[in-house]
Amino acid sequence: QQPVQSPQAVILREGEDAVINCSSSKALYSVHWYRQKHGEAPIFLMILLKGGEQKGHDKISASFNEKKQQSSLYLTASQLSYSGTYFCGTSSGGSNYKLTFGKGTLLTVNP
Amino acid sequence: GAGVSQSPSNKVTEKGKDVELRCDPISGHTALYWYRQSLGQGLEFLIYFQGNSAPDKSGLPSDRFSAERTGGSVSTLTIQRTQQEDSAVYLCASLQGYEQYFGPGTRLTVT
Repeated sequence: QQPVQSPQAVILREGEDAVINCSSSKALYSVHWYRQKHGEAPIFLMILLKGGEQKGHDKISASFNEKKQQSSLYLTASQLSYSGTYFCGTSSGGSNYKLTFGKGTLLTVNP
Repeated sequence: GAGVSQSPSNKVTEKGKDVELRCDPISGHTALYWYRQSLGQGLEFLIYFQGNSAPDKSGLPSDRFSAERTGGSVSTLTIQRTQQEDSAVYLCASLQGYEQYFGPGTRLTVT
């Protein structure tokens, strides 16, 4: 089942904060976050693993609530470069290679 | 260094024709994915190759779709007897650790 992302879209002024949520109906093994700018390839932001391990780029933070099968991506002091579509990809069943991606959250940061 | 490359970048074909899409992964990456991205949708998993193991084909939508990976490097996704619903962007990604590196995609339009 495809994870559900919320909100579908958000518009920010530069410097504002945003939270993007990802929720699954299945027990999750890992959650992966990617950002895709218009016309470009998705790029990796972060992975959160069951058990608490996280790996990702600086300035990006996220949480993973295993019991609620939810993850949240925190974007603080947003910059114009943060604009794009954010996708969460989830894996289950003890493997993190096969991901099911949500439909994405479109983030627009304006000056 | 060189990233993941895909060719062609755009392909327009008539309904019923066969098409081949090519992916050159990053050298040394042993795992490779194909995804399909339709407008407003997330990334739909199609197939996964890992080294010499049997590929995970569970995401292929029909038997018109097939993929191979020769010599553990270049991969080709073939769609036979294309239909209009096959129109989408087809993305390839190679894996290093937890991070998927995506190519720029092939935009397929079936007329």
